[in-house]
Amino acid sequence: QVQLVESGGGVVQPGRSLRLSCAASGFTFSSYGMHWVRQAPGKGLEWVAVIWYDGSDKYYADSVKGRFTISRDNSKNTLYLQMNSLRAEDTAVYYCASWRCTNGVCYLDYWGQGTRVTVSS
Amino acid sequence: QSALTQPPSVSGSPGQSVTISCTGTSSDVGSYNRVSWYQQPPGTAPKLMIYEVTNRPSGVPDRFSGSKSGNTASLTISGLQAEDEADYYCSSYTSTSTLVFGGGTKLTVL
Repeated sequence: QVQLVESGGGVVQPGRSLRLSCAASGFTFSSYGMHWVRQAPGKGLEWVAVIWYDGSDKYYADSVKGRFTISRDNSKNTLYLQMNSLRAEDTAVYYCASWRCTNGVCYLDYWGQGTRVTVSS
Repeated sequence: QSALTQPPSVSGSPGQSVTISCTGTSSDVGSYNRVSWYQQPPGTAPKLMIYEVTNRPSGVPDRFSGSKSGNTASLTISGLQAEDEADYYCSSYTSTSTLVFGGGTKLTVL
C-alpha cells in the first residue's frame, strides 16, 4: 500500500536550517509530482511547495520563497525540503503529499502523517 | 496567494445535510476544475474526499458530494453521521501553478 513517511523535524533556533525528508513506497514515485503542505498549531493547511515528477520544475509559496528548497531523489524514492533562515512563523507540522495526474485530472491523493518543526530560541 | 474563503464552522444534527462553501477568484476556483476537498479529524493527516470538483475516491461514501459555480465551490454532506465531525478544507490549483487552501471549516454534529 502507499506510504509516505516524513522525518527530520525537531526544535531549531531562529535563523538555523533543517532538512525534511519524505520516504515514499507503494507507488511509482518517479511518475508523481510531490508537494509539501504545512499546518501551524491550531491553524489551517498552508501549501508550501511543489516539484514536478522529474524535478524539472518547482514552485513555492511566497512565504517561503528564497528560504526553502524542494528537491527529490527518484533513485531513493525520497522527497526533501531544505529549510534555511527559519523563523518562528515556520513552526508547523509539515506534510508531504503525492500529486496524482491522470488525463489532466490532478489532485493530492496520499498524505504522510507529518513531521513537526518548532522554531524557537 | 490569498487563502480561499470558507465559513469557520457549520453544524447539523444526525441525518441532516450541511453545505460548506469555498470562495476563490478567477485565478483559481473560477478557472480550474482542480478543486478538492479534504477531511481532517483532530490529530490526523488530511484525507481526500472529493477531487476535480465532483469526484469521490473509492471508499468515500456517496453522502459526500461536490459542486462549483463561478468562483465558489461547495461540499455537501447528506445524512450526517457522528463520524463526519472533523475539519474540512478545500483546495484549488491556481494560475501560477501553485495550490491554495481554504481556511478550513469545523463541522460539528449536534
